[in-house]
Amino acid sequence: SQTIHQWPATLVQPVGSPLSLECTVEGTSNPNLYWYRQAAGRGLQLLFYSVGIGQISSEVPQNLSASRPQDRQFILSSKKLLLSDSGFYLCAWSFRGQETQYFGPGTRLLVL
Amino acid sequence: KQEVTQIPAALSVPEGENLVLNCSFTDSAIYNLQWFRQDPGKGLTSLLLIQSSQREQTSGRLNASLDKSSGRSTLYIAASQPGDSATYLCAVIGTYKYIFGTGTRLKVLA
Repeated sequence: SQTIHQWPATLVQPVGSPLSLECTVEGTSNPNLYWYRQAAGRGLQLLFYSVGIGQISSEVPQNLSASRPQDRQFILSSKKLLLSDSGFYLCAWSFRGQETQYFGPGTRLLVL
Repeated sequence: KQEVTQIPAALSVPEGENLVLNCSFTDSAIYNLQWFRQDPGKGLTSLLLIQSSQREQTSGRLNASLDKSSGRSTLYIAASQPGDSATYLCAVIGTYKYIFGTGTRLKVLA
């Protein structure tokens, strides 16, 4: 069976500091991978998706970037965090060619 | 551009009541629709997934319906319990993308 991991679970960072959130999937190959954000009082919004190693599509302009250095690893990064980057970040995966996505446990980020 | 709206934004009911949560979407060209539950500070728990060719799905006390032509889905919860208290999200599923509503925050009072 497949499992998805995210870490850390919670993160408190000062404004201007760098960020790296990691997501890994086990038990499958060539998954599509996704990053979503849930800001306070707002719905979940797709930030990035990837259909393969090194292939990243961005949905909204922002202070964040994503990378996929390995088949089952998806990383969300920032060089300098803003207060507005605070939120709940969810990683998800899907089988290649299928629409149903499976969500990780999430990372709660607080930027102070 | 697809927009997903959930009404009401918040709902408080006494235990035992049957209730209906609503989800509407503007573009009927969807693959599927999925309902989730989110507990405070937690991730998403999938409740029901309705494929575009289906009209409803049932799981225990939950029943979800889908009417693509009118851009509507409802989640029916029978005999509500305090443990049902959570935020309920619907998501319209398209190519490479889930588009979520902002959720209905449900509180079931004992």
